[in-house]
Amino acid sequence: QQQVKQSPQSLIVQKGGISIINCAYENTAFDYFPWYQQFPGKGPALLIAIRPDVSEKKEGRFTISFNKSAKQFSLHIMDSQPGDSATYFCAASILSGYSTLTFGKGTMLLVSP
Amino acid sequence: NAGVTQTPKFRILKIGQSMTLQCTQDMNHNYMYWYRQDPGMGLKLIYYSVGAGITDKGEVPNGYNVSRSTTEDFPLRLELAAPSQTSVYFCASSTGPGTGPFFGPGTRLTVL
Repeated sequence: QQQVKQSPQSLIVQKGGISIINCAYENTAFDYFPWYQQFPGKGPALLIAIRPDVSEKKEGRFTISFNKSAKQFSLHIMDSQPGDSATYFCAASILSGYSTLTFGKGTMLLVSP
Repeated sequence: NAGVTQTPKFRILKIGQSMTLQCTQDMNHNYMYWYRQDPGMGLKLIYYSVGAGITDKGEVPNGYNVSRSTTEDFPLRLELAAPSQTSVYFCASSTGPGTGPFFGPGTRLTVL
């Protein structure tokens, strides 16, 4: 049973546009939601993370929006640049105990020049 | 700090061979993880450890073994390699839940 569903699988955005990637989760106990960025041939790198006590977190051009009642969270990349072209993964976990991250299947983003 | 280092970067195995994937971190993180990544499937947790001497199974542990004798090292052992184990393997570490984890550069393994 997939606990974190990510969409779309792939996305093409023009330079300067807004990239939006969505994730939905099933386990209401999840309380930590990070996003990872992965370039080809590299390991995933932590990009930004949010906890459910806030509805939005912004770091530079990257923003996470969180909707607890809908069990959804999304990544917005403002003013998308060709250098943002990568695969993005959402994930979720429970902060207490020995919980580990459950990942979405990833979104391949291509920002066209 | 070098962060999380993995060796080798690439390896080709024959069916039935065994090997150990090495992982070392120099951040004094208690938590360490092994993931495998297959195209279009995201990252699947194989094993994890919350400290030296403590390991536990993840989502896809069959065909793998781990040990954690020190805080720094978390090797992954493949016994009797099978084509289904062809994948990219990532080691990661963190201070605990809600932090990171931080990933190594990966090992690309092909079993023929």
